[in-house]
Amino acid sequence: TQLLEQSPQFLSIQEGENLTVYCNSSSVFSSLQWYRQEPGEGPVLLVTVVTGGEVKKLKRLTFQFGDARKDSSLHITAAQPGDTGLYLCAGVIQGAQKLVFGQGTRLTINP
Amino acid sequence: DTGVSQNPRHKITKRGQNVTFRCDPISEHNRLYWYRQTLGQGPEFLTYFQNEAQLEKSRLLSDRFSAERPKGSFSTLEIQRTEQGDSAMYLCASSLVAGQGGAEAFFGQGTRLTVV
Repeated sequence: TQLLEQSPQFLSIQEGENLTVYCNSSSVFSSLQWYRQEPGEGPVLLVTVVTGGEVKKLKRLTFQFGDARKDSSLHITAAQPGDTGLYLCAGVIQGAQKLVFGQGTRLTINP
Repeated sequence: DTGVSQNPRHKITKRGQNVTFRCDPISEHNRLYWYRQTLGQGPEFLTYFQNEAQLEKSRLLSDRFSAERPKGSFSTLEIQRTEQGDSAMYLCASSLVAGQGGAEAFFGQGTRLTVV
């Protein structure tokens, strides 16, 4: 059973388009992180959200934590080929300790 | 601080051999995680330590896998009698946690294991 469901699992779009990746769960999370991973490398932390309804921006990337802290989204504006990669959401379930991951979204931005 | 360091980066081994991987976390971090990742999938939790104590081990982990963090600093992950299905990227991460709950984790570059 996947505690965090990411969608879509694959996304291929043209440069300049906007996109949104979703991360959903039936569990409440005390914190949620988004990572980006390049082939052959470890995941690199992009952002952490901890408060329900929180919105954080990182240049063209906007991250939102759901009001109930069960879901999150990543929105990219005007995608560029350099945004290509595997995007992973991860979180700590409230009352638990370990960090669990979604299955990832493989994003390809075509020039 | 150079971040989380994993060694080796790549390991090719014959089926049935034992392998050991090392992880050096960020120096002040008290929590250390091990994950396994296969191609196209998200990292799968294996185990984690709070200081030197191993607090949880995945039920999916066979008895051939063992991890240690003897002094609460570096950690090792050993796989005994390797099988082809063990081929994967093994990732280590560390975080600084105070009290309950988790904190953002920082990952090493991983060890790519290939069992032939």
